[in-house]
Amino acid sequence: DAGVIQSPRHEVTEMGQEVTLRCKPISGHDYLFWYRQTMMRGLELLIYFNNNVPIDDSGMPEDRFSAKMPNASFSTLKIQPSEPRDSAVYFCASSSSGVGETQYFGPGTRLLVL
Amino acid sequence: SQQGEEDPQALSIQEGENATMNCSYKTSINNLQWYRQNSGRGLVHLILIRSNEREKHSGRLRVTLDTSKKSSSLLITASRAADTASYFCATGPYNNNDMRFGAGTRLTVKP
Repeated sequence: DAGVIQSPRHEVTEMGQEVTLRCKPISGHDYLFWYRQTMMRGLELLIYFNNNVPIDDSGMPEDRFSAKMPNASFSTLKIQPSEPRDSAVYFCASSSSGVGETQYFGPGTRLLVL
Repeated sequence: SQQGEEDPQALSIQEGENATMNCSYKTSINNLQWYRQNSGRGLVHLILIRSNEREKHSGRLRVTLDTSKKSSSLLITASRAADTASYFCATGPYNNNDMRFGAGTRLTVKP
């Protein structure tokens, strides 16, 4: 298996623009997680899905952030409108065992909002 | 918010030496995991230890868990320059609906 795939790997955009991050989990994994990593706040869980259904989105910072999982092999994280403080590395991870079990991370998307 | 707290924040050693990193947590857990992150990469799972286990080995890695002290340690023996990375602990709670990562220990192994 190719592992968790994320695109794009790097994104530079201007404040106010819409940003869409994409993730393909490992086949057969029914849990999908979105994380954000910054120097100041470390690694934060934003939202996770189980069987394509959002279970906990309490980590989503505000209404500008939204996530969807239309099928078992694809998820998106959208920021609209983007702000400079959204600059971070966004990771997608998947698991076959549950939230508190082993997670497999993608390479991340490095987002810079100017 | 973060559950695990790693100590030290940064560690620098010579190749061949052992590296020990510690993790403390606050609430009861089902398991504790250690992950490695190389610069610019995603996290890679290293080892998982369950709450009823006290020690676990994987290659040059040794993890201990003391639930009475709510702490864990990761020992890397005979370190190599390729071990240079950040190491994170993550705790899986009993309700299994959340996993929290610590801030990490930055390990530098000098050749």
